Amino acid sequence: KQEVTQIPAALSVPEGENLVLNCSFTDSAIYNLQWFRQDPGKGLTSLLLIQSSQREQTSGRLNASLDKSSGRSTLYIAASQPGDSATYLCAPQGGSEKLVFGKGTKLTVNP
Amino acid sequence: GAVVSQHPSWVICKSGTSVKIECRSLDFQATTMFWYRQFPKQSLMLMATSNEGSKATYEQGVEKDKFLINHASLTLSTLTVTSAHPEDSSFYICSARELTGTSGSFYEQYFGPGTRLTVT
Repeated sequence: KQEVTQIPAALSVPEGENLVLNCSFTDSAIYNLQWFRQDPGKGLTSLLLIQSSQREQTSGRLNASLDKSSGRSTLYIAASQPGDSATYLCAPQGGSEKLVFGKGTKLTVNP
Repeated sequence: GAVVSQHPSWVICKSGTSVKIECRSLDFQATTMFWYRQFPKQSLMLMATSNEGSKATYEQGVEKDKFLINHASLTLSTLTVTSAHPEDSSFYICSARELTGTSGSFYEQYFGPGTRLTVT
């Protein structure tokens, strides 16, 4: 059974800082991994999808890396802004095509 | 990216009544949709996989007779919470998967905005 851990659970940083969110998963037999953001009381917004054959994906100030063999992924956010404040979730997708979610990292970027 | 809508966005109902939640893929067809439930400060838990034209597949511990799922078309799946009780109060989120990538090589999931259910 896939288990996903995200560290840290919460993070508070001043505006402008670069930061790294960590995700680890127990079953490395995945097809891809998605990073999402969730604002309070809202649904999920897909940020990045990394296929198992890829090592990283970039979108604007976001960069996600994947080390499938060690069961790890990181989300790098450059030059953080208050609008980046949200909960960030990672979700690997295995052979069943189901996403398994971690509990997320709650990010607060202070002006 | 693809857009998924849910209706209603929030609903309050009395204990013992039934509530229907709709999930629509607006600009793509989805043969498969997923229903999740999220309790406060918890992660999303998959309830069931909804397949167009066939019965839904429920996760272990989810009562299929209580959470009725119908996927009648390629753009619509519904979740009906029957005989709702206060413990069913939660945030329900659906997602739809779209075949994407070069040559349609993999699926990406897109999520709806969620439905807040409160049972009094």
